[in-house]
Amino acid sequence: QKEVEQNSGPLSVPEGAIASLNCTYSDRGSQSFFWYRQYSGKSPELIMFIYSNGDKEDGRFTAQLNKASQYVSLLIRDSQPSDSATYLCAVTPGYKLSFGAGTTVTVRA
Amino acid sequence: DVKVTQSSRYLVKRTGEKVFLECVQDMDHENMFWYRQDPGLGLRLIYFSYDVKMKEKGDIPEGYSVSREKKERFSLILESASTNQTSMYLCASSPDRGQGEQYFGPGTRLTVT
Repeated sequence: QKEVEQNSGPLSVPEGAIASLNCTYSDRGSQSFFWYRQYSGKSPELIMFIYSNGDKEDGRFTAQLNKASQYVSLLIRDSQPSDSATYLCAVTPGYKLSFGAGTTVTVRA
Repeated sequence: DVKVTQSSRYLVKRTGEKVFLECVQDMDHENMFWYRQDPGLGLRLIYFSYDVKMKEKGDIPEGYSVSREKKERFSLILESASTNQTSMYLCASSPDRGQGEQYFGPGTRLTVT
């Protein structure tokens, strides 16, 4: 079993819709959870982090964490063409990150 | 803003050459990491360092070595480059007192011919 699994893509959503990305992890000791955005040919960019159960909102992004279910998600509201990218979920119990394989999102204009 | 820079964006080397990839961060971060990223395989950790002159192997250290003589600089060395080391190499850093968040450099696309 992979340490971090993300829903397989690609995910295609119309402009203005909500994109929903899911991630599950196997290490119950994981304490911190991150979402990175990676444009084609570029390096990953940290866009959200969450440490406590519940929701965390930052602009059009909402991260949701459920440690009991070992599940973290990212919602992108009012999706824009500029949101088209690969989104990586990462978790850590300490300072080494375990990354998921990523979900590629395409926002259709 | 955290700034992580890498010495080259693109590099072409021949099989058997010794290759140096350098990474510098300007935020006084204790931890530094080297990854490679390949299509279908995701990000894989090669080596990391949690202090000057300290290093630990990641998931795929074979064929690589690292050097950290100064806190801000972390070098990845390919002792004898091979074609299967053609990849995107990403450096990252993170603070010791953070929550594990890592900040990435722009990456070096290395081609070994």
